[in-house]
Amino acid sequence: GAGVSQSPRYKVAKRGQDVALRCDPISGHVSLFWYQQALGQGPEFLTYFQNEAQLDKSGLPSDRFFAERPEGSVSTLKIQRTQQEDSAVYLCASSPTGVAVYEQYFGPGTRLTVT
Amino acid sequence: DQQVKQNSPSLSVQEGRISILNCDYTNSMFDYFLWYKKYPAEGPTFLISISSIKDKNEDGRFTVFLNKSAKHLSLHIVPSQPGDSAVYFCAASAETSYDKVIFGPGTSLSVIP
Repeated sequence: GAGVSQSPRYKVAKRGQDVALRCDPISGHVSLFWYQQALGQGPEFLTYFQNEAQLDKSGLPSDRFFAERPEGSVSTLKIQRTQQEDSAVYLCASSPTGVAVYEQYFGPGTRLTVT
Repeated sequence: DQQVKQNSPSLSVQEGRISILNCDYTNSMFDYFLWYKKYPAEGPTFLISISSIKDKNEDGRFTVFLNKSAKHLSLHIVPSQPGDSAVYFCAASAETSYDKVIFGPGTSLSVIP
């Protein structure tokens, strides 16, 4: 079956531009997670949705980062006024359960480069 | 400060030999540990996990060992195969926040034919 998909796969933005990154989870998956992976590092938790409710956004690095999942399926991560330090791979994962630790499936990621 | 550490950024092993990847953690609240494998341009995929009530979990060629007193775990791959060449992430979570998984920086394994 179809896995988690993310688009675009690559995005180049000029400093100060706004970007929107899309995640299509596996159909029927309740939970959705966003991670940021800087070069040479492991994925770092950003935020978590259960259906349409954003239950944890403690990892969002600043108020320039905003995520939504209005119908409990597709999610969008928006970054306003991008900065060079936002350059990273943004990974989305979904889970059929309410928690990440037992079962989460990752998408291929969106590589964001801010110039 | 990193709560999950993988001090070897890379490891090279001959095909057929054992690969041992190490991981240390600092948060004593962690009680569930996972290993993920990542190929280039793909997302991480789950490999094996272990709960803190166990000290060993085995799945085919993959075995994870947990030493709680040392806050250390290791992943053993026997025998190593060229297709095992990938980046391996150690990850951990605490029962109080199982929605949040904390990843280490990864170890890049190369299995040489």
